[in-house]
Order: sequence, then structure tokens, then C-alpha cells
Amino acid sequence: GESVGLHLPTLSVQEGDNSIINCAYSNSASDYFIWYKQESGKGPQFIIDIRSNMDKRQGQRVTVLLNKTVKHLSLQIAATQPGDSAVYFCAENIGGSNYKLTFGKGTLLTVNP
Amino acid sequence: DAGVIQSPRHEVTEMGQEVTLRCKPISGHNSLFWYRQTMMRGLELLIYFNNNVPIDDSGMPEDRFSAKMPNASFSTLKIQPSEPRDSAVYFCASSLRQGDRNGYTFGSGTRLTVV
Repeated sequence: GESVGLHLPTLSVQEGDNSIINCAYSNSASDYFIWYKQESGKGPQFIIDIRSNMDKRQGQRVTVLLNKTVKHLSLQIAATQPGDSAVYFCAENIGGSNYKLTFGKGTLLTVNP
Repeated sequence: DAGVIQSPRHEVTEMGQEVTLRCKPISGHNSLFWYRQTMMRGLELLIYFNNNVPIDDSGMPEDRFSAKMPNASFSTLKIQPSEPRDSAVYFCASSLRQGDRNGYTFGSGTRLTVV
């Protein structure tokens, strides 16, 4: 898993498996969360977001779960593909400051063919 | 849409030299952000502009760093004089409007190496 502000963990999965990337956030005032994907040599790319009044949101092959009780966020990727290999960041928006995202250090996902 | 455009993609400079990084946000976006990414500290917000006005520069590490946004389609981040510890990837990002909570669109970054 990952904690905002700490080291970069690594997750290795087989193609076709489901991936779960975790993120712990520290500020209970955070009310908006985003997952970004960063491929080598590129900038972070928006994947999916979730507001604090929700506990689950689904996109195409991705699902974000939010557990406010334990301040935990996860990104689930279904049927992981080699193209999903990247660093994944969670970001939190603190206290309604609508521009200031705080990013975690990221999780490196490696998909083995 | 060409996205957020940054230049140069790579910059290698000697310690003490001035470095200028450039950014063209997405047309119509009125919020612009400069971020720095290192392995040690991850992504750090340096400065945020809204409608070309600097709103929050609390992340600018020191006076050697300065940023400008003379118009809605251009911003610069300048480091003078540069130091080896400034080596990082610098990202520019833009969003449609203040309060737009669908995240930012990032550029591809400028990899700066100060030797």
C-alpha cells in the first residue's frame, strides 16, 4: 500500500489479474480524492476521482473505494493489461481549498505478460 | 487539443546559471500550476495562478525561484542562480476554472539537471 508522503511501494501482477493499489491519507478534512497514472517520461494523467460523500465510484475497468473511517483509498483495476504499467498516485484536496492537491509518493505497478 | 505544452523537455545546465522553463496551458483554462517532482519528495506544488494572477506561491522553495504569467496562454518558471539540488522534473498543469474539481491536465514536464 501507500501513504501520502512516504516511500514508493511496488506491485507486480500478471496480465489479466485484478490489481489493487492502496493509499492512506492523513487529513480528515480532505473531501475530494483523485487517482492519477504516470507513465515513464510523461506527466500524471487523471484516472478517476471521488468525493467524500461517496464510498465507491466506478469507471472503465477502474473502481475507487473510499473508507473515511480509516482514511483509506484504493484503486482497483480489472483485467490488468501491460499498458497499465505505470506509477499511480493518489491525491487529496484538503479543506475545500479547491486547487491545492496533495499527492502521495506513488505506487509502481508492473504488469507481467 | 494539444494539451499543456512545456519546453524544453530536457535541460542540462551548470550550477549558477539561469534556467527558464516555459508552459502553454490548454486554451480556455484559467488556472495554472507549477509542480516539481523528485524521488525524495514526490510531487510538490510550487505556485498556482488563477486568471494570470499568482494566488499561492508558498511552495516556491526560495527567492531563487520566480514565476510569471504575463497572459492566459503563457507562463514561465525561472531559477536564478540554479543549484544541483534543483535537479528534478518540473510539471506545469492547467484546469478549466477555479473550483474545477476534475483534476488538472499535466504537461509532459521538463527534466532539469544542474551539474
